[in-house]
Amino acid sequence: QAVVTQEPSLTVSPGGTVTLTCDSSTGVVTSGHYPYWFQQRPGQAPRTLIYDTTNKYSWTPARFSGSLLGGKAALTLSGAQPEDEAEYYCLLSYSGTRVFGGGTKLTVL
Amino acid sequence: EVQLVESGGGLVKPGGSLRLSCAASGFSLTNVWMNWVRQAPGKGLEWVGRIQSKADGGTTGYAVPVKGRFNISRDDSGNTLYLQMNNLKSEDTAVYFCFASGSLGYWGLGTQVTVSS
Repeated sequence: QAVVTQEPSLTVSPGGTVTLTCDSSTGVVTSGHYPYWFQQRPGQAPRTLIYDTTNKYSWTPARFSGSLLGGKAALTLSGAQPEDEAEYYCLLSYSGTRVFGGGTKLTVL
Repeated sequence: EVQLVESGGGLVKPGGSLRLSCAASGFSLTNVWMNWVRQAPGKGLEWVGRIQSKADGGTTGYAVPVKGRFNISRDDSGNTLYLQMNNLKSEDTAVYFCFASGSLGYWGLGTQVTVSS
C-alpha cells in the first residue's frame, strides 16, 4: 500500500501565506491521483476543502487553493486567519483504493 | 438541509460484528461515490473503503487492514449507505464517518465503534 506523506506541523503568521504538501511513495503526484484536501478542527468532523486537485466547494474560503507543485499535491493558504488553525489532511487515489496522509497541524501564530 | 447521519456504532467484543448505516437527507445518493473513513482516538484519518455509484458499476474498494472483513453496500432507494464489519479487532476501535466524494464533499458527524472484551 502506498504511503502518503505530509509535513507534521507548520506555523503561519496571521495574514501570511503557507503551502502544505502531499507526497506519494509511488512517485510523482498527478491529477490522476484526484487529490483531496480536508480541514479538521479539534472535536469536529472533517470538512472537505478541495477535490480533484484544484476544485473548491461553495463553503471553501477563497484564501485556500489547491495545485500540483514539484511532484506533489499542494494546498496554499493566502492570508491566514486565526480560524484556519486546524489539522489538514490530503487524500490520494490509487487504482480503486485511497490513502490519507498523516495530516499537518497548522498553527496560526 | 443536506445531512449525512451515521448510526449503528457501539461496544462489541473482539470477533464480533456490527453494521453501520449512513442515512442521507437533502440530496440523493444515487449518483454519488461514497466512502467510509475512520479515526482512532488521537490519530489521523484512515480511509476504510468506497463504493461507486451503480451507474459507474457499483464496485467496492477497501483498505488493506479491513479487506475481507468489511463490506460496503448501498440502498439508493432508501438513500442509505452501509458498512458491515465482521471479525472485529481492537484496532478497529474508532469513530467511523461516511463521506460523499466529488463535487458534493459532505461528511457525517460519525459514530463511535469500540471493540473491547
